[in-house]
Amino acid sequence: SQKIEQNSEALNIQEGKTATLTCNYTNYSPAYLQWYRQDPGRGPVFLLLIRENEKEKRKERLKVTFDTTLKQSLFHITASQPADSATYLCALVGGGGNKLTFGTGTQLKVEL
Amino acid sequence: DTAVSQTPKYLVTQMGNDKSIKCEQNLGHDTMYWYKQDSKKFLKIMFSYNNKELIINETVPNRFSPKSPDKAHLNLHINSLELGDSAVYFCASSQDPQVQDTQYFGPGTRLTVL
Repeated sequence: SQKIEQNSEALNIQEGKTATLTCNYTNYSPAYLQWYRQDPGRGPVFLLLIRENEKEKRKERLKVTFDTTLKQSLFHITASQPADSATYLCALVGGGGNKLTFGTGTQLKVEL
Repeated sequence: DTAVSQTPKYLVTQMGNDKSIKCEQNLGHDTMYWYKQDSKKFLKIMFSYNNKELIINETVPNRFSPKSPDKAHLNLHINSLELGDSAVYFCASSQDPQVQDTQYFGPGTRLTVL
């Protein structure tokens, strides 16, 4: 069956360190993968999109990798700050039809 | 300034009632969506409309009926509400229906069915 799995456990890291979040998928062949951020009580906010022919994408302190062989995307936040604390969702095309399917999200907490 | 807005933000109602949630986007986008986020934070698409035409209709009970009076609005009507309908419902929009396009989400409507 098709699955999109993200770290189910919350990730706690110290300010200034690099946070690495994982998105693994099975039985999908996505042409694109997106990452969103969701704060409590708010809707998801788009962060980055990476295509299957791109190995890496960067935006300011954010970096996303996409390994179609491993069926995995890694999301990195360098020099993390308490303001980066949120839930991060990966999303890809799948599940039949032209739609985004979201992972369950990883909650990140950056501590002082 | 709000790009995608939803009303109401909170909705508490009894089982068996009928309720509607409204969504409007001022981004000039052609495509709008409804998602349901359950208590485990799993976000799942329900419907998608492009220029007022239904293009995605997931396996959703037919008690849920979306309506798009124009491409800036997509409302969700729910009949005979059940306990399991309790969730946060998000509206979203994108410029076109290509899945690589960025989706912009509204603030959500928390529905509680008692």
